[in-house]
Amino acid sequence: KAGVTQTPRYLIKTRGQQVTLSCSPISGHRSVSWYQQTPGQGLQFLFEYFSETQRNKGNFPGRFSGRQFSNSRSEMNVSTLELGDSALYLCASSLEGQYNSPLHFGNGTRLTVT
Amino acid sequence: GQNIDQPTEMTATEGAIVQINCTYQTSGFNGLFWYQQHAGEAPTFLSYNVLDGLEEKGRFSSFLSRSKGYSYLLLKELQMKDSASYLCAVGGGSYIPTFGRGTSLIVHP
Repeated sequence: KAGVTQTPRYLIKTRGQQVTLSCSPISGHRSVSWYQQTPGQGLQFLFEYFSETQRNKGNFPGRFSGRQFSNSRSEMNVSTLELGDSALYLCASSLEGQYNSPLHFGNGTRLTVT
Repeated sequence: GQNIDQPTEMTATEGAIVQINCTYQTSGFNGLFWYQQHAGEAPTFLSYNVLDGLEEKGRFSSFLSRSKGYSYLLLKELQMKDSASYLCAVGGGSYIPTFGRGTSLIVHP
């Protein structure tokens, strides 16, 4: 079974631009969540989608948004990029998004904002 | 709110045993996860505890005490490949676990 696939692996953008990241979950997984990982803050939760609906949202500004398609693939968008948005963005899928469901992570997208 | 604490860094010798602690204060509790993350790679699931006690899985064991808000990950017979970051994550009131900042484990010969 293929794992979680994230594209692209690396991105370099300048301040003020916007960016879209893509995530394909494991086949059959309906829950997709997004995390921002930085050395100082660790893994910070952005949002979670389940069956095309945003079910949970973290404490990030509205510049961060996402969506999920009917095939469970998900995209995340960041508008008006700031230097502080430089981070590794990880997508994770789980089968049913239940309390005891382990997360399966993709290798992430490394975003650098200059 | 959620508060999860784990040591930033630990070092150990190949062949030894190391215990990585995690303490938490959460509103609601629906289990505790441990993940391993090698540098430049995705985190991978190691264990899940929801009841008190020790869960053993090969060289790795995880312990939970809900009354103390405490867990540890025990790694036996350390190997060089165990050098990685170990993430403690607690499931609170929602389906989404909150992660600690991770413990970087360095195993030296």
